[in-house]
Amino acid sequence: AQKITQTQPGMFVQEKEAVTLDCTYDTSDPSYGLFWYKQPSSGEMIFLIYQGSYDQQNATEGRYSLNFQKARKSANLVISASQLGDSAMYFCAMREETGFQKLVFGTGTRLLVSP
Amino acid sequence: GAGVSQSPSNKVTEKGKDVELRCDPISGHTALYWYRQSLGQGLEFLIYFQGNSAPDKSGLPSDRFSAERTGGSVSTLTIQRTQQEDSAVYLCASSSRTSGRKTDTQYFGPGTRLTVL
Repeated sequence: AQKITQTQPGMFVQEKEAVTLDCTYDTSDPSYGLFWYKQPSSGEMIFLIYQGSYDQQNATEGRYSLNFQKARKSANLVISASQLGDSAMYFCAMREETGFQKLVFGTGTRLLVSP
Repeated sequence: GAGVSQSPSNKVTEKGKDVELRCDPISGHTALYWYRQSLGQGLEFLIYFQGNSAPDKSGLPSDRFSAERTGGSVSTLTIQRTQQEDSAVYLCASSSRTSGRKTDTQYFGPGTRLTVL
């Protein structure tokens, strides 16, 4: 069965610093996708970045990058040059590429960016 | 273009009443998902629709929950005889469901916050 683990309930970072949010996963499917979503206090889930299990390079989207270590089954999100607007809940999710492709989410990490 | 929309944004109901939650996916997206976000359970999958295929109902927590999708577009999630444990945010997502790659990213609506008194 799929499982996503986020061990950091909360993280603090100063503005303009980089921060890493941890995510480990477990699956028996060789083909899968890993996602990070941001959920501000307003509640909407905002897609940030995607990494496919067969992708050779780590994904990057602007200030977001995904540190994908397949052998360790980890998919950490790195946010560079943190901004106050980055304060939010961050969820790691996995989708197995077979079957109905539902997302399985971790419990989330609350990030607080201070001035 | 327009994103996923959901209505109502908030719903307060009394225990035992039925409620209907609506989701309007992104135009052209063939796949539609319902999830529930609650304090105790986190984010959990409820049901999935893809085109004209039979839906995957494996995440529905009880037979009080049902959903339909008319014309391959708008979906309605119905909860009958609501209970206090049904209180949660119900999120809808849609995707283009092509080849299992990046284009299958699920985009979420703003959610419906359901409170059962």
